[in-house]
Amino acid sequence: AQSVTQLDSQVPVFEEAPVELRCNYSSSVSVYLFWYVQYPNQGLQLLLKYLSGSTLVKGINGFEAEFNKSQISFHLRKPSVHISDTAEYFCAVSGRNTGNQFYFGTGTSLTVIP
Amino acid sequence: DAGITQSPRHKVTETGTPVTLRCHQTENHRYMYWYRQDPGHGLRLIHYSYGVKDTDKGEVSDGYSVSRSKTEDFLLTLESATSSQTSVYFCAISDRREGSYNEQFFGPGTRLTVL
Repeated sequence: AQSVTQLDSQVPVFEEAPVELRCNYSSSVSVYLFWYVQYPNQGLQLLLKYLSGSTLVKGINGFEAEFNKSQISFHLRKPSVHISDTAEYFCAVSGRNTGNQFYFGTGTSLTVIP
Repeated sequence: DAGITQSPRHKVTETGTPVTLRCHQTENHRYMYWYRQDPGHGLRLIHYSYGVKDTDKGEVSDGYSVSRSKTEDFLLTLESATSSQTSVYFCAISDRREGSYNEQFFGPGTRLTVL
């Protein structure tokens, strides 16, 4: 089974500063990678996904992530954060060998400080 | 937004009582999932379904059962609720398309408190 590690449980950052949320997973074989965002008291919504092709993936709200096969990482970045980016972020992995199951990381709480 | 509803949205119950949570979708997706979300654990898969009457266990299935009698509904039952099952429960759906894997779409969640 896959495992997903989100290296930072909490990330505080000042408004308009850049941010990187880190994600590593256990195997690079035929994986599909996702980042989800969860605002308070809501469900999860998709930020971006990597299925194949270009390793740099752009998502909604100005976020992007880069698939690095050699480092088995899929870090999420944003060059300038806004107060409204305060939320919980989850990395997830799926793949041909996992059926349609997803494996989630434990989440990173991003707090944007005015 | 994907057409996924969960009911009830909030429930408080007592230890030892049975509880059923319902997930309803209008997207005709094949796969449906139940997760629980707890601080420090992220989302953990309880059970999933890959078709009507086809279900399988996830990572934390003990104490839970599921049923799927039609495509649109996926029920999660706690036969005898315990305080350790106090959590937020999310339903998700997905559909496998030829040559790709679609993302999972999530419902709004059900907050369950077992006293």
